[in-house]
Amino acid sequence: GENVEQHPSTLSVQEGDSAVIKCTYSDSASNYFPWYKQELGKGPQLIIDIRSNVGEKKDQRIAVTLNKTAKHFSLHITETQPEDSAVYFCAASRSYTGNQFYFGTGTSLTVIP
Amino acid sequence: DVKVTQSSRYLVKRTGEKVFLECVQDMDHENMFWYRQDPGLGLRLIYFSYDVKMKEKGDIPEGYSVSREKKERFSLILESASTNQTSMYLCASSFIHGLGLAGRTDTQYFGPGTRLTVL
Repeated sequence: GENVEQHPSTLSVQEGDSAVIKCTYSDSASNYFPWYKQELGKGPQLIIDIRSNVGEKKDQRIAVTLNKTAKHFSLHITETQPEDSAVYFCAASRSYTGNQFYFGTGTSLTVIP
Repeated sequence: DVKVTQSSRYLVKRTGEKVFLECVQDMDHENMFWYRQDPGLGLRLIYFSYDVKMKEKGDIPEGYSVSREKKERFSLILESASTNQTSMYLCASSFIHGLGLAGRTDTQYFGPGTRLTVL
């Protein structure tokens, strides 16, 4: 089955700096890669996703890059703000043949004002 | 907006009790999922269902069962709760574009979670 590894497990940045979270996956057939943000006491919420037919996707201060050859994808948050503090999860899935998502172990991001 | 609700935010049960966790989604999604979330382990899939009365085992089904009698409702059952089932339980749902299992699945939408403590 798929194995998703996520690094780092914790990350602290100064407000206004950038944050990068990296994930690797093992199954070359995975073709859908969502990122979720989980705030304290809440369920994970989708913040951005990318499919394997594109290499990069951006949504305001958030971007995701995908390197299919190396089997890794990354989340980039620019101009971080205190409200970006949360736990972030990456996931991988073969969206065309099944429904199972494989999640990374999460990154706890703290943005220091 | 997709809404996934879970019956309880916090639940405390005793070892050996039968526990029901309920999840309801209001977007007519075909797929529904149950995960447990533990520190350092991320989200691990317990069971999922892609249609009414259908169920598939995930990565950690032992000690759990599920029921899906209606499309909008997916229940997780702990037949005899044990202390190692103390955890955060998350329900999710997703939609399939296209026909059957070969269709393209959309992302998963999560409920707020139920924090279960088994004493």
